Amino acid sequence: GEDVEQSLFLSVREGDSSVINCTYTDSSSTYLYWYKQEPGAGLQLLTYIFSNMDMKQDQRLTVLLNKKDKHLSLRIADTQTGDSAIYFCAILGGGGADGLTFGKGTHLIIQP
Amino acid sequence: NAGVTQTPKFQVLKTGQSMTLQCAQDMNHNSMYWYRQDPGMGLRLIYYSASEGTTDKGEVPNGYNVSRLNKREFSLRLESAAPSQTSVYFCASSDRRFAVTEAFFGQGTRLTVV
Repeated sequence: GEDVEQSLFLSVREGDSSVINCTYTDSSSTYLYWYKQEPGAGLQLLTYIFSNMDMKQDQRLTVLLNKKDKHLSLRIADTQTGDSAIYFCAILGGGGADGLTFGKGTHLIIQP
Repeated sequence: NAGVTQTPKFQVLKTGQSMTLQCAQDMNHNSMYWYRQDPGMGLRLIYYSASEGTTDKGEVPNGYNVSRLNKREFSLRLESAAPSQTSVYFCASSDRRFAVTEAFFGQGTRLTVV
C-alpha cells in the first residue's frame, strides 16, 4: 500500500520560512494535500496540488511537487506563532481505493 | 454550518465494554470515513463508506464495526473495547464527484480504555 513519510518535528524562528517535507511511494497518486491540526482540534485542509502540477502558491503557502522523486513540500513564508500546529501530508492514490493516506505529521515549533 | 459532527467528544470505557461513536455530516457527501490518530502514527483509516449502503475495511479494521445508517450518518462500534483502542477517533466526509476530494473532519472523539 501507499507509504507517506514526514519528519516528526521542525523548529523555526518567527519570521523565517518553514519548509515541511513529505515523501510517498505511490507513483499513481492523483491529489496531494496538506492538512493542519491545531491542538485539540480536527484536521483542516490548507492546500492541495494535482499530480500534473509542479507548484502551487496560495498567499504565504507554496507547495512544490517533484513527481520523479515522489517528494512534496510545503513552504510557509514569514512563519507566525499562529502557524504552530501539526502538518499532515496526505495522498489520494490512483489505485481506486477510497480514503486518504496520511503521513505521521510534522510538529511545527515556532521560536520567538 | 455544522459540517461534520461527532459525538461524544470524550469517553472512558472499561475493558470489555461496548460503545458506538456517532458521526453525521450535513454536506450531502457520498463518502465517509473513520480514522484513528495515535501519537507518532499519524491518521490510520479504520473503515470507509463510499456511498450509502456500502462499507469497506481500511488499514486497521480489527476490533471495529461500522454502519452507514443513511447518507448523513456513519457510526463506529467497538464491541469489546481493549486498551489498544485508546486513541483519538476522527470522522471525515468527502464528495468524490468533484475533482478535488477535500475531506472535512469532525473535531474528534478522545477515547480512553482502562
